[in-house]
Amino acid sequence: TQLLEQSPQFLSIQEGENLTVYCNSSSVFSSLQWYRQEPGEGPVLLVTVVTGGEVKKLKRLTFQFGDARKDSSLHITAAQPGDTGLYLCAGAEDSNYQLIWGAGTKLIIKP
Amino acid sequence: DVKVTQSSRYLVKRTGEKVFLECVQDMDHENMFWYRQDPGLGLRLIYFSYDVKMKEKGDIPEGYSVSREKKERFSLILESASTNQTSMYLCASSLSRAGNTIYFGEGSWLTVV
Repeated sequence: TQLLEQSPQFLSIQEGENLTVYCNSSSVFSSLQWYRQEPGEGPVLLVTVVTGGEVKKLKRLTFQFGDARKDSSLHITAAQPGDTGLYLCAGAEDSNYQLIWGAGTKLIIKP
Repeated sequence: DVKVTQSSRYLVKRTGEKVFLECVQDMDHENMFWYRQDPGLGLRLIYFSYDVKMKEKGDIPEGYSVSREKKERFSLILESASTNQTSMYLCASSLSRAGNTIYFGEGSWLTVV
């Protein structure tokens, strides 16, 4: 079974700090998605990365797909309280209907 | 706008009761999924369906069944609810390929007492 290790599991930082969340696997994915889930809601897609080495930016969020397409990172610059939530990564294989999910990173940004 | 609607947000059921969780999507998606989400365990796939009347077991199908009689509707059934099925249940849908965006409902919080 493919695994997607996500770290850290929990992060609580002050507003204005930077942070990075990691997703790592020993297997290769055709694409990798990042979702954010707010309390009481379902996850919502933030970005999909497809090409090895790809970098995508969404305002203060920077997503990178590893060159070998086995890992990905999410970097948040100058975190805001509105960034608080559960961040989930999910890897896709072309041969599979299913996504492989990381366990999530619970992020709390304190004002 | 894309929409996945779960019929019940919060339910409290007794051990042994039969529980139905309903989900409807309005995007004409082929794939539909049921996940449960527990703290520290992430999303675990219970069942998915890639077409009407088709279903496939996910990682944790025991104690659950599903029904997909129409393309837009995917139901999760707990034949005899148990306390270890207390969880948040998420329905989702997507177009056919695994790399496509998954759209989630708001979730159903089930407590079995």
